[in-house]
Amino acid sequence: GAGVSQSPSNKVTEKGKDVELRCDPISGHTALYWYRQSLGQGLEFLIYFQGNSAPDKSGLPSDRFSAERTGGSVSTLTIQRTQQEDSAVYLCASSTQGGVYEQYFGPGTRLTVT
Amino acid sequence: KQEVTQIPAALSVPEGENLVLNCSFTDSAIYNLQWFRQDPGKGLTSLLLIQSSQREQTSGRLNASLDKSSGRSTLYIAASQPGDSATYLCAVISGNTGKLIFGQGTTLQVKP
Repeated sequence: GAGVSQSPSNKVTEKGKDVELRCDPISGHTALYWYRQSLGQGLEFLIYFQGNSAPDKSGLPSDRFSAERTGGSVSTLTIQRTQQEDSAVYLCASSTQGGVYEQYFGPGTRLTVT
Repeated sequence: KQEVTQIPAALSVPEGENLVLNCSFTDSAIYNLQWFRQDPGKGLTSLLLIQSSQREQTSGRLNASLDKSSGRSTLYIAASQPGDSATYLCAVISGNTGKLIFGQGTTLQVKP
């Protein structure tokens, strides 16, 4: 079946602009995760959704970052007033349920802030 | 705070060699440990998942072991091939939300 998909695959934006990144999880997966991969920090957790609610937002680096999930499916990660340090690959993953279940990752969105 | 460390950071071996990648974690109270592969410019591919109650998992030429008490896991790759060249990441889940905590990865190059 279809895996996790993300769009766009690449995004170049100017400092100060807002961006939206999209994730389509595997159909039927109730848990969805966002991670960020940057050269200096490695792979870091951002936020976890179970259904449409986000019980763990502890990884969001600042209030410029927000995310939502609708219909228990698609999720959007929004970064407002982008900064150069936001440049990274943003990865989305889903699993059948939260907790200990295997996570399946999408190809990522490479964000470059100029 | 859980921390995950992978050694070595990079490894280069000739084709055909057996090799071991190491992963250590500071808090033994984990739910599971997952090994991933990442090719340049790509997402993560799950290789093996070991539940906290398990000692090892095998898939083809890959074998992963887990020793919770010592906070260690190893990924064994048998008869390495050039197609195994990639970055290998180890990650643990230690909270009930399932968030993964990653090591920095080991970049493997298998030379023909």
